[in-house]
Amino acid sequence: DAGVIQSPRHEVTEMGQEVTLRCKPISGHDYLFWYRQTMMRGLELLIYFNNNVPIDDSGMPEDRFSAKMPNASFSTLKIQPSEPRDSAVYFCASSQVAGGNEQFFGPGTRLTVL
Amino acid sequence: GENVEQHPSTLSVQEGDSAVIKCTYSDSASNYFPWYKQELGKGPQLIIDIRSNVGEKKDQRIAVTLNKTAKHFSLHITETQPEDSAVYFCAASEGTNAGKSTFGDGTTLTVKP
Repeated sequence: DAGVIQSPRHEVTEMGQEVTLRCKPISGHDYLFWYRQTMMRGLELLIYFNNNVPIDDSGMPEDRFSAKMPNASFSTLKIQPSEPRDSAVYFCASSQVAGGNEQFFGPGTRLTVL
Repeated sequence: GENVEQHPSTLSVQEGDSAVIKCTYSDSASNYFPWYKQELGKGPQLIIDIRSNVGEKKDQRIAVTLNKTAKHFSLHITETQPEDSAVYFCAASEGTNAGKSTFGDGTTLTVKP
């Protein structure tokens, strides 16, 4: 398996623009997580899904952030409108239900909002 | 909810020395404690984990200990090498939210040759 795939790897945009980050989890994994990493706040859980259903979105910072998982192999995290303080590395991770809760992380998307 | 505290935030050791990173957690229902290593420009990757029915686990130069009574667990790296330099995260998994882990703030380990 290729592991968790994220795109794009880097995104530079201007304030006010819409940003869409994409994730393909490992096949057969039932859980998908979106994290944000910054120097100031560390690794923050934004939202996670179980079998394509959002379970906990309490970490989503504002209504500008939204996430969807239309099927088991694809998820998106959207920011609209984007702001400079959204600049961070966004990680997607997936895990199985059985066998423990190890999470497999993607390579991340580095977002810069000018 | 679960709260995980990790210390120290930075750690510098000489090559060949040992490194110890400590974490405490708050939810007694937590039963899974993984450690992740994050290299520059990459996502975190699991290096070792321990479950609440085990007190210690070892994998070559890496070991993790768990004290459920005190709610703390530690990562031990022996004979450190420059390639061990990275950010290390501990995490605790809540028993009532299968799959969700709460992460510590991370420890930046630097191994000086």
